[in-house]
Amino acid sequence: DGGITQSPKYLFRKEGQNVTLSCEQNLNHDAMYWYRQDPGQGLRLIYYSQIVNDFQKGDIAEGYSVSREKKESFPLTVTSAQKNPTAFYLCASSIIFGTGSSYNEQFFGPGTRLTVL
Amino acid sequence: GENVEQHPSTLSVQEGDSAVIKCTYSDSASNYFPWYKQELGKGPQLIIDIRSNVGEKKDQRIAVTLNKTAKHFSLHITETQPEDSAVYFCAAEAGGSYIPTFGRGTSLIVHP
Repeated sequence: DGGITQSPKYLFRKEGQNVTLSCEQNLNHDAMYWYRQDPGQGLRLIYYSQIVNDFQKGDIAEGYSVSREKKESFPLTVTSAQKNPTAFYLCASSIIFGTGSSYNEQFFGPGTRLTVL
Repeated sequence: GENVEQHPSTLSVQEGDSAVIKCTYSDSASNYFPWYKQELGKGPQLIIDIRSNVGEKKDQRIAVTLNKTAKHFSLHITETQPEDSAVYFCAAEAGGSYIPTFGRGTSLIVHP
């Protein structure tokens, strides 16, 4: 079964703690993305990576960090520097190279809901 | 950068009615416009997309129109059904960037 998985589905953390959200895909996609979703705010890009060992900041990267050591994995760490971390986090992936197309669909995971207590 | 405005934020219709969601974008370099549907507790899923070289695309009960001059595009759903109830997102993307800018979403509620 091909797809993109995120774990855990629900996550609780205390203020001041770092927490890492997992994202794995077995679609052999080149690019991976992290979005934050808040009510009425749509999807805001946190970080993205188009190739292993390389990643770029999105619109709201402050207080977050990522790594892309393997093509199939793109974990997101929410650090204590993120002032308002309670949100729904979505990971996505897409093909970039080899399709001959400049536009490619994003495939989303089921999301992780993070609550800071 | 790109800015995508989406309206309305909430849309309530009776089953069988049509629903229209409208988006505008600011960057004339954008030439790919996907629409995603997000059901409760799930990630968004692409339902239809349109590229700037066409003005309209249809897939069964769903259609998307694009007016590049006015920089706006719309999603049309005909004969709505309760299972169409979801949050819909429009997005705009410049070809080759692979980075879409999303609208804020429209919560569509279809009453049986």
